[in-house]
Amino acid sequence: AQKVTQAQTEISVVEKEDVTLDCVYETRDTTYYLFWYKQPPSGELVFLIRRNSFDEQNEISGRYSWNFQKSTSSFNFTITASQVVDSAVYFCALSEASRDDKIIFGKGTRLHILP
Amino acid sequence: NAGVTQTPKFQVLKTGQSMTLQCAQDMNHEYMSWYRQDPGMGLRLIHYSVGAGITDQGEVPNGYNVSRSTTEDFPLRLLSAAPSQTSVYFCASSYGAGGPDEQYFGPGTRLTVT
Repeated sequence: AQKVTQAQTEISVVEKEDVTLDCVYETRDTTYYLFWYKQPPSGELVFLIRRNSFDEQNEISGRYSWNFQKSTSSFNFTITASQVVDSAVYFCALSEASRDDKIIFGKGTRLHILP
Repeated sequence: NAGVTQTPKFQVLKTGQSMTLQCAQDMNHEYMSWYRQDPGMGLRLIHYSVGAGITDQGEVPNGYNVSRSTTEDFPLRLLSAAPSQTSVYFCASSYGAGGPDEQYFGPGTRLTVT
């Protein structure tokens, strides 16, 4: 079954704190892709990262980092030294090669960065 | 490049009315999809298309029809609008070859059914 769980519905942290957003996925495929998207208060959806199932290397992009662990079926996202502009809803998504690569999203985590 | 465009931006319908939400992309993307976003439910896939002439159902297809006669356009039809279809609708496209690529999203259509 293709499923993405983001157990944290809403998180609030004070600016400059680090915060990790959890994503757990379910799939029977060996070939799949994982994504993170950001939706700021303005409403548009912004692509952050794509990772395929054969690449477990962690990724860092500025203050953003992603930890992909196949052993726990998790693809967690960490923001270091958070800023108010990071306030948004963050979505994790999964695509399976056996299902036409259709992309299924989790319910999202709303992140509030408090000044 | 306009990217992914959606029209209209806002729409109010009465129960039972039908309408078509338009989606177009100018990036020559093969893969297009429609999602609806409801509070607390995230983005749910309605229908998707892997190329012109090919469409398939997503997670919540009931009450919606799609067609893909050209690479550029992927309209979403509401056959008989119901209040449960009040939502924000997003269209997305991606290159699609060799595995799913970054999806480019349109700005969304906010639909209210009374």
